[in-house]
Amino acid sequence: DTEVTQTPKHLVMGMTNKKSLKCEQHMGHRAMYWYKQKAKKPPELMFVYSYEKLSINESVPSRFSPECPNSSLLNLHLHALQPEDSALYLCASSQDTKESQPQHFGDGTRLSIL
Amino acid sequence: QKEVEQNSGPLSVPEGAIASLNCTYSDRVSQSFFWYRQYSGKSPELIMSIYSNGDKEDGRFTAQLNKASQYVSLLIRDSQPSDSATYLCAVRFFNKFYFGSGTKLNVKP
Repeated sequence: DTEVTQTPKHLVMGMTNKKSLKCEQHMGHRAMYWYKQKAKKPPELMFVYSYEKLSINESVPSRFSPECPNSSLLNLHLHALQPEDSALYLCASSQDTKESQPQHFGDGTRLSIL
Repeated sequence: QKEVEQNSGPLSVPEGAIASLNCTYSDRVSQSFFWYRQYSGKSPELIMSIYSNGDKEDGRFTAQLNKASQYVSLLIRDSQPSDSATYLCAVRFFNKFYFGSGTKLNVKP
């Protein structure tokens, strides 16, 4: 079991739906990340939050909207997604953004777009 | 763009052998290096971190770092079938992690 909890584990949605992915950690980490991972590929960084502020957006389409309500929670709001957005969405956290801190990943949400 | 290169494999070793996984990176400024293991359909799991030149050992795992050559490696001693997975090398540059494409390791019983 990981200390980064992601819900739901699986999500199937139509292209017109609105849904949200949730990520929670109680390790006191102040940096949180969203990644997208396609099969047999490495994780691709989407967003970085540092001390609850968005610090990096890797030119992600606006149909993905991140939110960090507090230091323990990270959401990813989804709207009007495309079939190519089907992937494993990983949340990760690190103690802060100092160089030496590793990331710890949640189990991911497997998203399928119909 | 920071480059992290790994041989995609698959790397096949017999049970009990040493598996050697290699990674090169392009950015001389990076100071933190990590190895993650990822089983099929699962999330990456941190195995080792290394920050200084030389070797760092943890159980059956040894990470090796050579900053002059921009090279980091992972040795797995006494390989077990349960070690069969994809191993991702990650290099941290400020608050970004750059991942290699991963090396698939098969340990044959």
